[in-house]
Amino acid sequence: EVQLVESGGGLVQPGGSLRLSCAASGFTVSSYYMDWVRQAPGKGLEWVSVIYSAGNTYYADSVKGRVTISRDNSKNTLYLQMNSLRAEDTAMYYCAREVDYVLGTWGQGTLVTVSS
Amino acid sequence: QAVVTQPSSLSASPGASASLTCTLRSGINVGTYRIYWYQQKPGSPPQYLLRYKSNSDKQQGSGVPSRFSGSKDASANAGILLISGLQSEDEADYYCMIWHSSAWVFGGGTKLTVL
Repeated sequence: EVQLVESGGGLVQPGGSLRLSCAASGFTVSSYYMDWVRQAPGKGLEWVSVIYSAGNTYYADSVKGRVTISRDNSKNTLYLQMNSLRAEDTAMYYCAREVDYVLGTWGQGTLVTVSS
Repeated sequence: QAVVTQPSSLSASPGASASLTCTLRSGINVGTYRIYWYQQKPGSPPQYLLRYKSNSDKQQGSGVPSRFSGSKDASANAGILLISGLQSEDEADYYCMIWHSSAWVFGGGTKLTVL
């Protein structure tokens, strides 16, 4: 069964850092495009980043320069390193697997709260 | 102006049809884009419904009923999600999405109420 499980969220102070993880099972992360999408409380979906199977990475303008997407093939895990966090980064963060440009499998999300 | 705009809410009666629009910013031609549609219910991650570019380039999500369908209104520069035979379980938030300038862009979402 294809499954994604996010972790690493929590409460962090403005300016702080956090690394989110997305553990995959049932498939190999490095063989797929993998995305991070976030959703602020009560708000809509916002795409954050994607890493291609070839290793190319793309970022939303709102996080560019502060966020890095990566993967560990040995752990079959996707990561999102977030630095210089702001209150507006408060959101549920979902990882998703892309197949044929469709975000077809999503995790249940991990909540990041940026507050002093 | 946002790249993609959706009405914030829509209400319709059970058994009726609902047409959800996804309007692209002026200067971005809807005809050249695949429009992706996702459904999200409270407390759950989004679920893929379908994508539509043209009648020859469309895809239904696995297990998604045929009463969900996509189309375009070129005159309005918009993608459309049509839900026919509305059921109570269709009450949810619906998001459209396009790939634009090396980024996925979501619309703000439409909250569909079935009453």
